[in-house]
Amino acid sequence: AQSVTQPDIHITVSEGASLELRCNYSYGATPYLFWYVQSPGQGLQLLLKYFSGDTLVQGIKGFEAEFKRSQSSFNLRKPSVHWSDAAEYFCAVGESGGSYIPTFGRGTSLIVHP
Amino acid sequence: DVKVTQSSRYLVKRTGEKVFLECVQDMDHENMFWYRQDPGLGLRLIYFSYDVKMKEKGDIPEGYSVSREKKERFSLILESASTNQTSMYLCASSSPGGPWALHFGNGTRLTVT
Repeated sequence: AQSVTQPDIHITVSEGASLELRCNYSYGATPYLFWYVQSPGQGLQLLLKYFSGDTLVQGIKGFEAEFKRSQSSFNLRKPSVHWSDAAEYFCAVGESGGSYIPTFGRGTSLIVHP
Repeated sequence: DVKVTQSSRYLVKRTGEKVFLECVQDMDHENMFWYRQDPGLGLRLIYFSYDVKMKEKGDIPEGYSVSREKKERFSLILESASTNQTSMYLCASSSPGGPWALHFGNGTRLTVT
């Protein structure tokens, strides 16, 4: 069965600093990978997704993520964080050829200091 | 724009009550989902539905049931609410046939006292 690990429960960065949120997955074949963001009091919004092709994917709000098969990772990055990026971030993996229902990680809470 | 609407943002119910959480989507999506979100546990799938009148159990279906009488509406039912069902409930929908992204509602925060 597929699984997702987000090793960091909380991440604190200063506004303007770079950001990397880690995501590791466990799945035998090529996974489908997603990052979602949840602002306080809101539902989840898709930031970006990887299905195939170029391993560096661009998303909304200036985020990008890189799929590294050798490391079973799909880390989310942003070069310069804004205070409005403070939110909960979820990585998710969906299996190919199966039900396609994604499995979510436990989330990483991003705190941005001014 | 895609929209998933959950009828209540906040709900307070008493132990033993029957609770209905409603979700409506306007995207003509076949797939609909109910998740439960708790701090430190992420999102856990309760039930999902591939089509009208079809439902499948997710990872934590105990204590819950669902109803999908129309394509656009997916209801989550707590037959007899208990305090351990106090949580944030998220509804989502997606297109069929692939690992498409889920579209989420804003959630219903349910408190059972």
